[in-house]
Amino acid sequence: DQQVKQNSPSLSVQEGRISILNCDYTNSMFDYFLWYKKYPAEGPTFLISISSIKDKNEDGRFTVFLNKSAKHLSLHIVPSQPGDSAVYFCAASSFQGAQKLVFGQGTRLTINP
Amino acid sequence: DVKVTQSSRYLVKRTGEKVFLECVQDMDHENMFWYRQDPGLGLRLIYFSYDVKMKEKGDIPEGYSVSREKKERFSLILESASTNQTSMYLCASRPGQGPAGELFFGEGSRLTVL
Repeated sequence: DQQVKQNSPSLSVQEGRISILNCDYTNSMFDYFLWYKKYPAEGPTFLISISSIKDKNEDGRFTVFLNKSAKHLSLHIVPSQPGDSAVYFCAASSFQGAQKLVFGQGTRLTINP
Repeated sequence: DVKVTQSSRYLVKRTGEKVFLECVQDMDHENMFWYRQDPGLGLRLIYFSYDVKMKEKGDIPEGYSVSREKKERFSLILESASTNQTSMYLCASRPGQGPAGELFFGEGSRLTVL
């Protein structure tokens, strides 16, 4: 039972344009959401997070939006740069399951020059 | 900088062999985790530990065990490796208790079981 789903395995975007990565979740107890970025042959690195008390969090070129009623979050990258080409994972946790992050399947983002 | 070091980047083992994957972190983090990453399945939690000698099962613990004898070291053990355990294994750590926050990951160990 996939509680966190990234339905797009891959996404290709032109350099300079906006990249939008989507993530859906089913567990209404999730209250904290994170995005990780992973390059080949490296471990994932934390990118940005959002608590369920917010609907938006911004950090430079990266913005995460949370729609609790739709159980949906998205990561916007603008402008997209070639170095953003990587696999992006969304993850979620609940206070009750505080030690566990549940990850989505990942979306491979390719930025074309 | 937090550093999580996994002892082997690439391993090739035979079916039935016992396999040890070692992970060491240098930031005195209480919590340590083992995930496996497979295409189309994302990262799935195998085991985690929130203190020395403490461990809890994750979502896919079958066929695995763990050991945490020292705070900085968390080992994943495959008692009898099978081909369906061919995967990328990722160790992670984070400090403190409370809601899950930023995990610090190692570079991964790619295991192939023949």
